[in-house]
Amino acid sequence: DIVVTQSPDSLAVSLGERATINCKSSQSVFYSSNNKNYLAWYQQKPGQPPKLLIYWASTRESGVPDRFSGSGSGTDFTLTISSLQAEDVAVYYCQQFYITPPLTFGGGTKVEI
Amino acid sequence: EVQLVESGGGLVPAGGSLRLSCAASGFPFRSYGMNWVRRAPGKGLEWVSYIHPNGISIYYADSVKGRFIISRDDPKDSLYLQMNSLRAEDTAFYYCARDSSLSGPRPTFFDYWGQGILVTVSS
Repeated sequence: DIVVTQSPDSLAVSLGERATINCKSSQSVFYSSNNKNYLAWYQQKPGQPPKLLIYWASTRESGVPDRFSGSGSGTDFTLTISSLQAEDVAVYYCQQFYITPPLTFGGGTKVEI
Repeated sequence: EVQLVESGGGLVPAGGSLRLSCAASGFPFRSYGMNWVRRAPGKGLEWVSYIHPNGISIYYADSVKGRFIISRDDPKDSLYLQMNSLRAEDTAFYYCARDSSLSGPRPTFFDYWGQGILVTVSS
């Protein structure tokens, strides 16, 4: 199974500042035949279900604000919130879908203000 | 509008059984793979099970294999999870989640989620 590790576990960011979350997979999730990284990011606000933010490591889901961006390739990935808003307080998860089953998630990163 | 609504959760003693349901609407249910994902209190997300649109290709997490059974009823636009031999560690919010892939043979990522239903297993 691919193990996915996130860091940090939590971070506090001032309003308007940048938040950066890291995600590392135990093996590459890059598929050279289609040049895609099989990694997704989700946001889960308190009392709500998770919401898809980004897939293929850097493709933003429809309706997701452009302050959210994903980058990286192979085994190392980053979710960046360029200018943190109050409504971005949540737990963020990365998830690999390169080798499934099982689908595996990172442990989550709690973003606070 | 895509909607997924779970039901059937509740309090059950260890060793007991429970059946979760997920009613889908707003999309061609029979064309999509479907998943169950859970989040235990104070923990992260854990994928539980997947069922392909063909209803034949089915996968489980090792933690539930042999105890849980996923199924679907396409005429009723419904997904199910039969949970047997429940353990305290199965206590979690259970989410029904639509798979993004229309034609792939395996689960990928989740583009729509239900609100979730709480299952509490008492020891």
